[in-house]
Amino acid sequence: SQQGEEDPQALSIQEGENATMNCSYKTSINNLQWYRQNSGRGLVHLILIRSNEREKHSGRLRVTLDTSKKSSSLLITASRAADTASYFCATVLNTGFQKLVFGTGTRLLVSP
Amino acid sequence: DTEVTQTPKHLVMGMTNKKSLKCEQHMGHRAMYWYKQKAKKPPELMFVYSYEKLSINESVPSRFSPECPNSSLLNLHLHALQPEDSALYLCASSQDFVLRRSSYNEQFFGPGTRLTVL
Repeated sequence: SQQGEEDPQALSIQEGENATMNCSYKTSINNLQWYRQNSGRGLVHLILIRSNEREKHSGRLRVTLDTSKKSSSLLITASRAADTASYFCATVLNTGFQKLVFGTGTRLLVSP
Repeated sequence: DTEVTQTPKHLVMGMTNKKSLKCEQHMGHRAMYWYKQKAKKPPELMFVYSYEKLSINESVPSRFSPECPNSSLLNLHLHALQPEDSALYLCASSQDFVLRRSSYNEQFFGPGTRLTVL
């Protein structure tokens, strides 16, 4: 059963705009990761944030984590057409094992 | 080499066929994973191998049979599949399956095999 719910399910923006995706989860976690998937192919790891961290940056990506609300957000700044993809959050629970449970995903379309 | 390769890219099989999916990594990772992904859905974990031993089977039907011949290879043997098994099958690997503060817990995914069962 999936742990994370993401919203929006789909997001359509213009190049240069910012895109924000949100992920909510149900149980306490060790870390939360964001992955990108292009056109039904393999997933690419974007960023990992640990449960004791609140914010993390990587290039044009900014991830926040609020463990009290059991939620995370992914912000992509100055979006490009190449950012068009599906984005999934994935949680790793406090079981001691690296088992990913994926959220429902957000389909992002960036138009030139 | 930070790549996970999967063959074949596409596979069409009948319900009576026997086929195998293959996955390979040369990153020295000791954990390998099989996921199933239906259209517009998130990946769902099927199996985890850790140090070449099966660690997790997520109640997958026996018509799917995983095999880890060595630390670099992971196979998924398919037999008597149903049309509803049609999906994208993703392989992934990670440094370890046990969570460690010192290790980077990223999973590297292959491009997947798109399976169609007729």
